[in-house]
Amino acid sequence: EVQLVQSGTEVRKPGDFLKISCKGSGFRFGSSWIGWVRQMPGKGLEWIGIIYPGDSETRYSPSLQGQVTISADKSISTAYLEWSSLKASDTAMYYCVRSQGHDYTLWFDPWGQGTLVTVSS
Amino acid sequence: QSVLTQPPSVSGAPGQRVTISCTGSRSNIGPLYGVHWYQQFPGAAPKLLIFGDSSRPSGVPDRFSGSKSGTSASLAISGLQAEDEADYYCQSYDSSLRSYVFGTGTKVTVL
Repeated sequence: EVQLVQSGTEVRKPGDFLKISCKGSGFRFGSSWIGWVRQMPGKGLEWIGIIYPGDSETRYSPSLQGQVTISADKSISTAYLEWSSLKASDTAMYYCVRSQGHDYTLWFDPWGQGTLVTVSS
Repeated sequence: QSVLTQPPSVSGAPGQRVTISCTGSRSNIGPLYGVHWYQQFPGAAPKLLIFGDSSRPSGVPDRFSGSKSGTSASLAISGLQAEDEADYYCQSYDSSLRSYVFGTGTKVTVL
């Protein structure tokens, strides 16, 4: 079974460092694009970026580039999303996704269960 | 503020057919970029419903169908069932934004 399992709920303060994880199984992790999607409370879905663990090529949403860092360790089939200094506005549910398709026609399947990040003083 | 616009809500009685529109522009929905659809229940992760404009992953009932014409796409749900109450999102790529984009989302209510 193709599966993505994410790390648990995080509650942090503004200015904190945070790195959340997503472990894949049931597919060739190093040969798949793995992405991250944000959903702020009560809002819609927003694409953050994707990484190809095979060579660590990374693409970010221009609106979020510089705000987060995406990385991966193909040896343990795990992708990461990292903040160097959290803001209250980073409070959201974060989903990791396997991206499928070709060229720029990519769709997201499956989705991880989500990691809730709450940033509050 | 998404570049793909969906109606905030649609509703229908059990057994009816409802459609959800996804309106974009030439920089996103068009011949080059496929449109995909997701279903999300409250408190759960989204699930892929339609990919590549009109293809269904295995396990998705054929009551769900997708289509695209020009710079708009549609998701149709025929034989509406109570279990179809959920939020639905379209998704594509936008060449101007250089980003994958989601629609604004539509809540489907079964009357």
